[in-house]
Amino acid sequence: EPEVTQTPSHQVTQMGQEVILRCVPISNHLYFYWYRQILGQKVEFLVSFYNNEISEKSEIFDDQFSVERPDGSNFTLKIRSTKLEDSAMYFCASSQQGNGDEQYFGPGTRLTVT
Amino acid sequence: QQPVQSPQAVILREGEDAVINCSSSKALYSVHWYRQKHGEAPVFLMILLKGGEQKGHDKISASFNEKKQQSSLYLTASQLSYSGTYFCGTETDSGYALNFGKGTSLLVTP
Repeated sequence: EPEVTQTPSHQVTQMGQEVILRCVPISNHLYFYWYRQILGQKVEFLVSFYNNEISEKSEIFDDQFSVERPDGSNFTLKIRSTKLEDSAMYFCASSQQGNGDEQYFGPGTRLTVT
Repeated sequence: QQPVQSPQAVILREGEDAVINCSSSKALYSVHWYRQKHGEAPVFLMILLKGGEQKGHDKISASFNEKKQQSSLYLTASQLSYSGTYFCGTETDSGYALNFGKGTSLLVTP
């Protein structure tokens, strides 16, 4: 069964550094998402991406964050100048269609900012 | 505004049933249900769309009351593997983002 993959599984970085989290969505999916989950809390939406542009973003997704689809398979989340409060599990998800379609989540990247 | 889930936590013995509720103050396009085990990604269980369409696992049932913007997930004859945190994610007409509730922790004991 096709699945969403994410690398790395765990990233440790120092405060102020930039990190890039990578995702390979399911190959025939057209809609891509990033979510994050701070330890013990709910999953929070960051951004959705379709047709090579951001279709929706949350208040969390400020100028510190950016997304890119650099080639036909990867989908990346860049976090500039990381802060301690950026420590969380970051999940990539993808869906074939937009509204009302299953979003399949990847295994996540645990980001620890020290 | 995030959907509200209830109960926050429930403990069952194997074989017992449970109902998890999710309500929203916004008009919804769909409700998505996920189960997450500790340290793992959320796993899709079911979608309920306005108009009555449902997609999901055969062994799990759910309902969506469009008038009340409420959804319920029914777990019958629970198994140990049902343990985890259940999240509902709601979707409106205006976008694809899922707005998740705080989750319901379910523990099934032998």
